[in-house]
Amino acid sequence: GESVGLHLPTLSVQEGDNSIINCAYSNSASDYFIWYKQESGKGPQFIIDIRSNMDKRQGQRVTVLLNKTVKHLSLQIAATQPGDSAVYFCAENPGGSYIPTFGRGTSLIVHP
Amino acid sequence: DAGVIQSPRHEVTEMGQEVTLRCKPISGHNSLFWYRQTMMRGLELLIYFNNNVPIDDSGMPEDRFSAKMPNASFSTLKIQPSEPRDSAVYFCASKGVAGGNTGELFFGEGSRLTVL
Repeated sequence: GESVGLHLPTLSVQEGDNSIINCAYSNSASDYFIWYKQESGKGPQFIIDIRSNMDKRQGQRVTVLLNKTVKHLSLQIAATQPGDSAVYFCAENPGGSYIPTFGRGTSLIVHP
Repeated sequence: DAGVIQSPRHEVTEMGQEVTLRCKPISGHNSLFWYRQTMMRGLELLIYFNNNVPIDDSGMPEDRFSAKMPNASFSTLKIQPSEPRDSAVYFCASKGVAGGNTGELFFGEGSRLTVL
């Protein structure tokens, strides 16, 4: 029979609101994490990274939080803009490897 | 600087035909990755090269898939014969020399393959 594609988790926000995108990672040995943004029809692009010896890292309008105890990452986007609409992926690098494993992604929709 | 360049951007072919996807990594990058993206499976690593040498091809789904990197500025991913289930977006990414477990991947814009 026909297979049904899995739908990505979706976060819908109003322009100007703050957005929080969550990611659970699987490997407790992972020590480096990256958030990527993928706009429609394009490849993923680096947003921000964080090492496991940090709990928080800030960029321009973005902040990444890392909770190693529960293996959880979040990406916070301040004052979300329509141009932030995209699919956001977290990627983890297990210790000793520089090959990232990507999560399933979250679709962010920003309404003007 | 030019980013990772992939061609073709779109390919529509019939089942059984050979498909060749091409990638030019960023100059100076020494690692190259081929990923496949589908709604069902997300982003899957197919194979990666380090200094033109294939390091891990465990993600290549079947013998119908092969990848080569004859030099530092060019790689191909070939599917022969193609099947409808190969329909996906194929991404090439490259990465520069970095101290161990660091560094972002730079992705191309992808090749969208449709096998009828």
